[in-house]
Parts: sequence; structure tokens; C-alpha cells
Amino acid sequence: SYKLTQPPSVSVSPGQTASITCSGDKLDDKYVCWYQQKPGQSPVLVIYQHTKRPSGIPERFSGSNSGNTATLTISGTQAMDEADYYCQAWDSNTAVFGGGTKLTVL
Amino acid sequence: QLQLQESGPGLVKPSETLSLTCTVSGGSVSSGYYHWAWIRQPPGKGLEWIGNIYYSGGTYCNPSLRSRVTMSVDTSKNQFSLKLSSVTVADTAVYYCARVAVGTERWFDPWGQGTLVTVSS
Repeated sequence: SYKLTQPPSVSVSPGQTASITCSGDKLDDKYVCWYQQKPGQSPVLVIYQHTKRPSGIPERFSGSNSGNTATLTISGTQAMDEADYYCQAWDSNTAVFGGGTKLTVL
Repeated sequence: QLQLQESGPGLVKPSETLSLTCTVSGGSVSSGYYHWAWIRQPPGKGLEWIGNIYYSGGTYCNPSLRSRVTMSVDTSKNQFSLKLSSVTVADTAVYYCARVAVGTERWFDPWGQGTLVTVSS
């Protein structure tokens, strides 16, 4: 079965740029979404179709996808961005989630 | 604004069937532009897709759960439902329902608040 791999944790200082990666075989052949989940809350879509932001998602969130790796980039990271982030793609009509990355802002 | 709300028993015994319903407000489950999904998250762990259903009742499921999953849609009540049979403690999780935008790509947005289902005797 298809697998998406994320680093378990990423740390960033406030105001700096955070990059969270998601790796999978021939991932650039697929559309990747990213979800943010804060403690005790439901996931929220932050990026879809590689690079698009839903209404209400700040411009500091951006996405890219090249080769076997998709990347969620948060520019000018704020304390409120501290959360778990999950990548997701479709393979053979099956939705696959990465294992999640805990972003710590310190 | 579309909202989804999960409901169902919070405690299910091993070997029994878990049953949940998602009520949709601010939108219609009959829309041809969307599918409707179930996703779960065991305590302290990541997300696992269970399956999608669309207004005609067609479904597609996670192969690892397919044999135990039944999904249905009730357009008159604007609801869709999940049944998971022969549950074990490994099925303990927060269960979310979500809308799925469909087209050249699919994404889950928005999500319900989630409901914790514990499997225990």
C-alpha cells in the first residue's frame, strides 16, 4: 500500500520559516493536501492542489511538490501555528495520510 | 456555512457493531459536487481514512477496513452513516465526518468536531 512519510517533529523560532516535508513514491504525480490540527480540535485544510489556500488561511502558508517530496512552508511562523500537520494524497482511489509532524514554535 | 455533526454511542463492546451518523447543515448531501467521508484518529495517533460515500449511495473504502465497513446516506434527513462491524479495542478512536470536494482532486473540508468511540467490555 502507498505510504507518505513525514518527520515526527519540526522546531522553529517565532518569525522564522518552517518547512515540513512529506515523501512518497512519485508524489509529484499526485495532488497533495495539508491539514493543521491543534490540540483538542478537528483538522483544518490549509493547502490543497499542492499550492492553493482555502479562504481564511493566511498567506504565510504555502505548498510545493517536486519529485518524491511535497513541502509545507510557513513563513514568519507565529505561536498560533504550533500544531500537528498532516499531508494527504490519493492513490488508487484510496486516501492516504502521512503520520503527522508536530510543529513546535519556540 | 456548512457544518457537520457526528453522533452515536460513545462506548461499544468488543465484537459488536459501531454505528455513527453525521448530520449536515448549511448544505445538502444530495449535491453532486461533493462526496462525504469518515476518518478516524486513535488517541495520540495519526489520521486514518475509512471511506467515502456519495449521494447515490456509491461508496469507496480503505481496503484494510472494507470487509467491516457499511456506509449509507439518507437524503431526506441530510445525513450519512457509518457502521463498523466486529470491533476490537484497536477501533477505539475519535471518528470524524467530513465533506469531500471532488473533481480533478479531492480534499476534506470542512470536518465535524469528532466523536470519541471507546471499545471496551
